Amino acid sequence: KAGVTQTPRYLIKTRGQQVTLSCSPISGHRSVSWYQQTPGQGLQFLFEYFSETQRNKGNFPGRFSGRQFSNSRSEMNVSTLELGDSALYLCASSPDRATGANVLTFGAGSRLTVL
Amino acid sequence: AQSVTQLGSHVSVSEGALVLLRCNYSSSVPPYLFWYVQYPNQGLQLLLKYTSAATLVKGINGFEAEFKKSETSFHLTKPSAHMSDAAEYFCAVSESGANSKLTFGKGITLSVRP
Repeated sequence: KAGVTQTPRYLIKTRGQQVTLSCSPISGHRSVSWYQQTPGQGLQFLFEYFSETQRNKGNFPGRFSGRQFSNSRSEMNVSTLELGDSALYLCASSPDRATGANVLTFGAGSRLTVL
Repeated sequence: AQSVTQLGSHVSVSEGALVLLRCNYSSSVPPYLFWYVQYPNQGLQLLLKYTSAATLVKGINGFEAEFKKSETSFHLTKPSAHMSDAAEYFCAVSESGANSKLTFGKGITLSVRP
């Protein structure tokens, strides 16, 4: 069973540019969530998508956005990049069970460097 | 609001020694608790989870954790450290099993000395 696939793995952008990151969840998983990991702030929840709808949102500015497609694949976009956006962006998928805890399976991440 | 405190940022043990990584949580409702491990240049891998069943939870690679409500703790232990256990460990809490919003601690880097 293939895991969560994130592309690209590494990318370098300059301030003011925008970036789109892609995430393919595990087959059958309908929930996709995104996290930002930085040395200073640690792991922070960005947003979660389920059935093409944003179900939950973290405390990030509107420059951070996402979407989910009908095949559950998800993209996140960051516009007007700032130096502080340099981070590892992690995508996670889960089966979204009706009971019990939804266990997240994480991808390897996309490491964004903003110069 | 939920929160997680992981005391200390770095723990160093000798190979074969006990591993103890501490985690305290704050939650307004009965929590779901998780431990994840992250190896360099990789994503997070689930070690174990607590979902209100048994308070002693066994995970992968010989790790286990005990949920203590009175102490609001969920410490991670392993009886005998192995060199391959060197990694960063994150404790996380969720107030709902129905969504994917986890609140993580700052993480603890575990070093294992030969």
